[in-house]
Amino acid sequence: KAGVTQTPRYLIKTRGQQVTLSCSPISGHRSVSWYQQTPGQGLQFLFEYFSETQRNKGNFPGRFSGRQFSNSRSEMNVSTLELGDSALYLCASSFSPTQETQYFGPGTRLLVL
Amino acid sequence: GNSVTQMEGPVTLSEEAFLTINCTYTATGYPSLFWYVQYPGEGLQLLLKATKADDKGSNKGFEATYRKETTSFHLEKGSVQVSDSAVYFCALSPLTGGGNKLTFGTGTQLKVEL
Repeated sequence: KAGVTQTPRYLIKTRGQQVTLSCSPISGHRSVSWYQQTPGQGLQFLFEYFSETQRNKGNFPGRFSGRQFSNSRSEMNVSTLELGDSALYLCASSFSPTQETQYFGPGTRLLVL
Repeated sequence: GNSVTQMEGPVTLSEEAFLTINCTYTATGYPSLFWYVQYPGEGLQLLLKATKADDKGSNKGFEATYRKETTSFHLEKGSVQVSDSAVYFCALSPLTGGGNKLTFGTGTQLKVEL
C-alpha cells in the first residue's frame, strides 16, 4: 500500500506570494491533518479534515487555510507569505478522526525569501 | 491544555549502550501516547504506541510503557545501533474532543557512535 505522498517536496517563494501544498493520504484513509515543523516552535498542529469538513484548527492566522476533496486528498494554502512561514509542512493521514494512529508523509520544505 | 515534555538533547551514546529518553505528559482523561522518529531529511515514522494505562508499546527493540500514575511514557532500548541516530518525538492524542490532533514534545536528538 502506498504511503502518504506530498507535493511538491521543495518550494522557494518570496514574501507576499501565496503557496498551495498538496497531500494524498493512504488509500482508504479519510482523515488528513497538517503540521508545521520549525526549529524554533517544533511541531505544531495546523488543521484536520475528515469527510471534506474541517474538524480541528490550530492556533495559526487566517492566512493558513486548507480543504479536503471527495477523494480525501487535501490541500493547504498560505497567502501573503512571511519569512517566518519557512518550515517543513507535514501531512498525516488516518482511517478516522478518533484517536487513530497517524501516518506521516515526507513533508514539503518551504523556504520564503 | 495538553502538553508533552521530553528530555533535552542531544543524547550521545556508544553503540550497544542502553537508551532511555524521558517523556512526561499533561492531559485530561486517557490520551493515546506515541513515539515517532525522524531521520534526517525525512518525515515522521511511527515507532510505537500505547492506548491505555500499563500498555507496553514495542517495535524494533524499542519499548515504552504507559504509566498513568507518573504520567510518563519513557522510551527505552537495550542496545542502540548507529542506525538509530535520529530525532525522537513523544506525542499524545486526546481521548475526546481533540480528534487526531497530536501534541508533540520538542524532540530528542540521539547520536550513536561506534
